[in-house]
Amino acid sequence: GDSVTQMEGPVTLSEEAFLTINCTYTATGYPSLFWYVQYPGEGLQLLLKATKADDKGSNKGFEATYRKETTSFHLEKGSVQVSDSAVYFCALSSASKIIFGSGTRLSIRP
Amino acid sequence: DTGVSQNPRHKITKRGQNVTFRCDPISEHNRLYWYRQTLGQGPEFLTYFQNEAQLEKSRLLSDRFSAERPKGSFSTLEIQRTEQGDSAMYLCASSLGQAFSYYEQYFGPGTRLTVT
Repeated sequence: GDSVTQMEGPVTLSEEAFLTINCTYTATGYPSLFWYVQYPGEGLQLLLKATKADDKGSNKGFEATYRKETTSFHLEKGSVQVSDSAVYFCALSSASKIIFGSGTRLSIRP
Repeated sequence: DTGVSQNPRHKITKRGQNVTFRCDPISEHNRLYWYRQTLGQGPEFLTYFQNEAQLEKSRLLSDRFSAERPKGSFSTLEIQRTEQGDSAMYLCASSLGQAFSYYEQYFGPGTRLTVT
């Protein structure tokens, strides 16, 4: 079945560091790909999405490119802030539902 | 519109008791989904409705779980004879939807269940 594998955490970085969180997927067909974020004490929010190969999703300085050849959707940000501390989930659409990875906890030190 | 709402936000119950959660979707959304998230894991799909019809159920949804959406608006998720393994965050999401098409899902804040 369809699945998502993402980098295990926790990931701890200093403010202004470069961030990469790796994500790879297995799917039949052509899913849409997502990154969701869960800030402490809050609900799941869609951070960015890409609906077809080579699309780049971007939001709040975060980017991810849909790479069909490597079945990857890595999340990147050039300069992280303390406010980016959260749990990040890579996900894909499978028929009518979303399949999530296990999440990566990110902590940013001032 | 204020988004997807869920009640209660927290529920503590004793093993063996029944619990019911409610989800109110975004008003114009015809699809409603339930997910479960255990500590340190990503959300896992449980079931979804298109209008009042329950179209898919995960194998995670044992016989003790039942979900309804009687008028195609709000939905309830009931767990009978709760077990400690049912302790989790139960998330509801809603979206527009047509057959074989994906539409963005909007998540509620969740109901955290603790079974003691």
